[in-house]
Amino acid sequence: SAVISQKPSRDICQRGTSLTIQCQVDSQVTMMFWYRQQPGQSLTLIATANQGSEATYESGFVIDKFPISRPNLTFSTLTVSNMSPEDSSIYLCSVEGGHRNTIYFGEGSWLTVV
Amino acid sequence: RKEVEQDPGPFNVPEGATVAFNCTYSNSASQSFFWYRQDCRKEPKLLMSVYSSGNEDGRFTAQLNRASQYISLLIRDSKLSDSATYLCVVTPNTGNQFYFGTGTSLTVIP
Repeated sequence: SAVISQKPSRDICQRGTSLTIQCQVDSQVTMMFWYRQQPGQSLTLIATANQGSEATYESGFVIDKFPISRPNLTFSTLTVSNMSPEDSSIYLCSVEGGHRNTIYFGEGSWLTVV
Repeated sequence: RKEVEQDPGPFNVPEGATVAFNCTYSNSASQSFFWYRQDCRKEPKLLMSVYSSGNEDGRFTAQLNRASQYISLLIRDSKLSDSATYLCVVTPNTGNQFYFGTGTSLTVIP
């Protein structure tokens, strides 16, 4: 399985500010995925990050709010822009791999917006 | 209709009990099925894949019923350490679509 490192692991942010989450994978992967899991909810896919092209966003998520970078095959960043308390959530980086295309997650970044 | 639906619970069971969770999926073309475990304030981790013939890993047994479009997870001889949220995950094909259930909360009580 892939080893995925995320940082920061947690942060408390002021509303109106932006925060960038970094995700590093120990092997080269074509696609990296960014999920959000709000308190008590399941995981929601924000976008798929492909190296060398713009990220593909899911319905309800836009690039201006969640800009993504994918400079190489092992690294990606997700920025949560102009944060509001509704953005308080865990943000998870993930990759697909292994037998039967299982999905693996980073440790997550817990954001609290005050 | 949601792609994947789970009973959120919570399930509170005594140590040593047997507990089963079900998860239904709406897309009959779904190809791959998984159970993940998520501890409080942690990321989901793969517990086991679900094969058509069913599969067992120690105290855990996963089953797939394609006709009724559901998967199940059976935990025997529950341990305190089994307390967690169990997520079912379904993929329609080998592409990048993963559909997550909302999770079933399990608490094993001493």
